[in-house]
Amino acid sequence: GAVVSQHPSRVICKSGTSVKIECRSLDFQATTMFWYRQFPKKSLMLMATSNEGSKATYEQGVEKDKFLINHASLTLSTLTVTSAHPEDSSFYICSALRTYQHFGDGTRLSIL
Amino acid sequence: DQQVKQNSPSLSVQEGRISILNCDYTNSMFDYFLWYKKYPAEGPTFLISISSIKDKNEDGRFTVFLNKSAKHLSLHIVPSQPGDSAVYFCAASGNYGGSQGNLIFGKGTKLSVKP
Repeated sequence: GAVVSQHPSRVICKSGTSVKIECRSLDFQATTMFWYRQFPKKSLMLMATSNEGSKATYEQGVEKDKFLINHASLTLSTLTVTSAHPEDSSFYICSALRTYQHFGDGTRLSIL
Repeated sequence: DQQVKQNSPSLSVQEGRISILNCDYTNSMFDYFLWYKKYPAEGPTFLISISSIKDKNEDGRFTVFLNKSAKHLSLHIVPSQPGDSAVYFCAASGNYGGSQGNLIFGKGTKLSVKP
């Protein structure tokens, strides 16, 4: 139980493109989901907390207008990287909270 | 400045022996600690946790020890098995956002268990 699916697993796209990443809790309802980012040789860093039916809470230094988060249902949260640039290239991973955080497999985003 | 530190990037252990993975933290407000295990191309999976009101939690071959005065926790795996080979992340959580809210992760320790 407690399976979290994240899609896509890898994205390669041109600079200026907007990219949407989906995070689904497959066998439970998640009021709260989290979005993390990991740069090479760095630890996972929380970007934002996504709450179903309300606005996401962003960590300091994370641009709300750049990283749009939508948590419209209890099983789906989406992260849209708008007008992506090469510096947005990173590993993005979501988690859903049920007792503790259950993670998806992550998305490797490469912006050319 | 890293609030959760795993100073050993890698650890190699013989099958059947004990694996000890260490983690240090700096923020005394952390009240909940977790260990996650990660295989290549997969997301981290929860392994074991401990609340700051305890100093030990055991689950089968896995035991986590917490030394609050030293701001140190460790994960013991005994006996170690080749399938335990993975990257282990230590994570800590404070009271805001709930006890399992915002997780602060270490950089991970890659454990290799040799047959």
